[in-house]
Amino acid sequence: EAEVAQSPRYKITEKSQAVAFWCDPISGHATLYWYRQILGQGPELLVQFQDESVVDDSQLPKDRFSAERLKGVDSTLKIQPAELGDSAMYLCASSTGEKLFFGSGTQLSVL
Amino acid sequence: GQNIDQPTEMTATEGAIVQINCTYQTSGFNGLFWYQQHAGEAPTFLSYNVLDGLEEKGRFSSFLSRSKGYSYLLLKELQMKDSASYLCAVNQAGTALIFGKGTTLSVSS
Repeated sequence: EAEVAQSPRYKITEKSQAVAFWCDPISGHATLYWYRQILGQGPELLVQFQDESVVDDSQLPKDRFSAERLKGVDSTLKIQPAELGDSAMYLCASSTGEKLFFGSGTQLSVL
Repeated sequence: GQNIDQPTEMTATEGAIVQINCTYQTSGFNGLFWYQQHAGEAPTFLSYNVLDGLEEKGRFSSFLSRSKGYSYLLLKELQMKDSASYLCAVNQAGTALIFGKGTTLSVSS
């Protein structure tokens, strides 16, 4: 069964450093999402892409976060500079309809 | 705005039945999902309801009442592996899925 691929699985960084996460959605899935999940909470949308275009980035802290999906396939989420409060699970998901398929996530720890 | 409420924690014993409730307030409702998430792992799809009524899938069933803004997930014949977080998520027209905070279910022997 096709899966959403994410890397790295774990990332430890110091505050003020830059970090980047990568996601490769299921082949053929035009819609790609980045969610952030703080421990004990539900996932919260950061950005949604339709092909290479941003559909919704209203909850993305644009002073430090950026996301791109240049060729409408894989995507990168970047944080610069990282802050202590950015420690969370970063989940990528893709879909062709309403149902979302999630990757294994990147667990970020900012020290 | 969007508001999704579900209990924070529930406990149950092996072999029992548990019902996890979810209430929501939304405009442009377009369906409700339940996802299961084991600790440190990604959410996995359990069920999708867009019309009122009960959807049954093996040991798991999900119910929706759109007029009441209410859904529940019913888990039967509980097993230890069912210990996980259960996320209620609403599909609102024109937006990405919006998730509740999740219900952590602990199953004991």
